[in-house]
Amino acid sequence: IAGITQAPTSQILAAGRRMTLRCTQDMRHNAMYWYRQDLGLGLRLIHYSNTAGTTGKGEVPDGYSVSRANTDDFPLTLASAVPSQTSVYFCASSETGETGELFFGEGSRLTVL
Amino acid sequence: GQNIDQPTEMTATEGAIVQINCTYQTSGFNGLFWYQQHAGEAPTFLSYNVLDGLEEKGRFSSFLSRSKGYSYLLLKELQMKDSASYLCAPLDSNYQLIWGAGTKLIIKP
Repeated sequence: IAGITQAPTSQILAAGRRMTLRCTQDMRHNAMYWYRQDLGLGLRLIHYSNTAGTTGKGEVPDGYSVSRANTDDFPLTLASAVPSQTSVYFCASSETGETGELFFGEGSRLTVL
Repeated sequence: GQNIDQPTEMTATEGAIVQINCTYQTSGFNGLFWYQQHAGEAPTFLSYNVLDGLEEKGRFSSFLSRSKGYSYLLLKELQMKDSASYLCAPLDSNYQLIWGAGTKLIIKP
């Protein structure tokens, strides 16, 4: 099935632990994004990648890191999780960057205790 | 600063028409997107406006006025499945999407 796959779909994590959220797309899109969504707030961009081998910081990058070793995969790592990182995380991709339609994964619900 | 204003929640009746407004203030402007998000699901693309005027796509239409910093999404012949949040997102001068918090639309029979 074409699209974006995120894993895990849900996770409870102790503060201070390291966590990697996985994101894989099979649409050969150049651009990929990580957003977090919190109640009452709009989606906020964490990191993005316009093409394999490059990454950039979004609006709320602190505490997160990403890599883009190939076109398909764009993992998001929390080096040392804190409770304020409790959120729903969405990975997205676009063929033409942010001027084009974004395709979202189903989301990863992360709770940091 | 950059700001998006949408109503938090709206209620409408099945079969009726509803208009969801969005006003925005951004550093530059390169178009505006509307996305639909059902509860517990991912957002999905509805429309993109870059020029002033109305874009119609089936039961959904989206309007843009760049001079007024204003857009609306018009939903006709409402169905129960239209119950969802509708996200307004303009593109700023750096081609970054600025997302509104969304309007939760409740459809009643």
